[in-house]
Amino acid sequence: EVQLVESGGGLVQPGGSLRLSCAASGFTFSAHAMNWVRQAPGKGLEWISYIVGSGTVTHYPDSAKGRFTISRDNAKDSVYLEIHNLRADDTAVYYCARDADRNFYIDIWGKGTAVTVSS
Amino acid sequence: DIGMTQTPLSLPVALGQSASISCRSSQSLVHRDGNTYLSWLQQRPGQPPRLLIYKVSDRFSGVPDRFSGSGAGTDFTLKISRVEAEDVGVYYCMQATELRTFGQGTKLEIE
Repeated sequence: EVQLVESGGGLVQPGGSLRLSCAASGFTFSAHAMNWVRQAPGKGLEWISYIVGSGTVTHYPDSAKGRFTISRDNAKDSVYLEIHNLRADDTAVYYCARDADRNFYIDIWGKGTAVTVSS
Repeated sequence: DIGMTQTPLSLPVALGQSASISCRSSQSLVHRDGNTYLSWLQQRPGQPPRLLIYKVSDRFSGVPDRFSGSGAGTDFTLKISRVEAEDVGVYYCMQATELRTFGQGTKLEIE
């Protein structure tokens, strides 16, 4: 069964840092680009990062450049998201999501991990 | 950046009736490879998003044929025929022709 399981969320103080993890199973991980998408409480979906299968190319929207870093370890079938200088408006559920094989669309989503930024 | 605008943002529909959601992009979604990377996703309450339609009109595995997508260039439509109670949720369009952008979401509810 194809599965993505996020972890690493929790309560963090403003200005702190966090590393989210996403463990993949049931497919050839290195063959797929991966994304992180977040959803603030009661709001819509916001794409925040993308990494190709080899890990050599990453993309971010302008809103995420500088504080967010996506990386992957294909030996561990995992993708990561580091967030620095956390702010209250980073409070959201963070989803790991897979790009379809050799295609540009997201076909599989994890259940998400919740991040709350508060003092 | 490509902007995505969905209408309506709220969509009350009676059971058994049809529903239609529009999505407009700020520039053409035709990729240099000739494909148009416009997807539709459904997010039921308390659930992660789920892919319904990809590349404008291709239904994802397991998606009922009540869901159909159409459009080209900058204008796209998701149609849901014979709406059922399980269709309640928020529907998003997403472009992946240039990076990724989501529409604001359309909340479908049963009248």
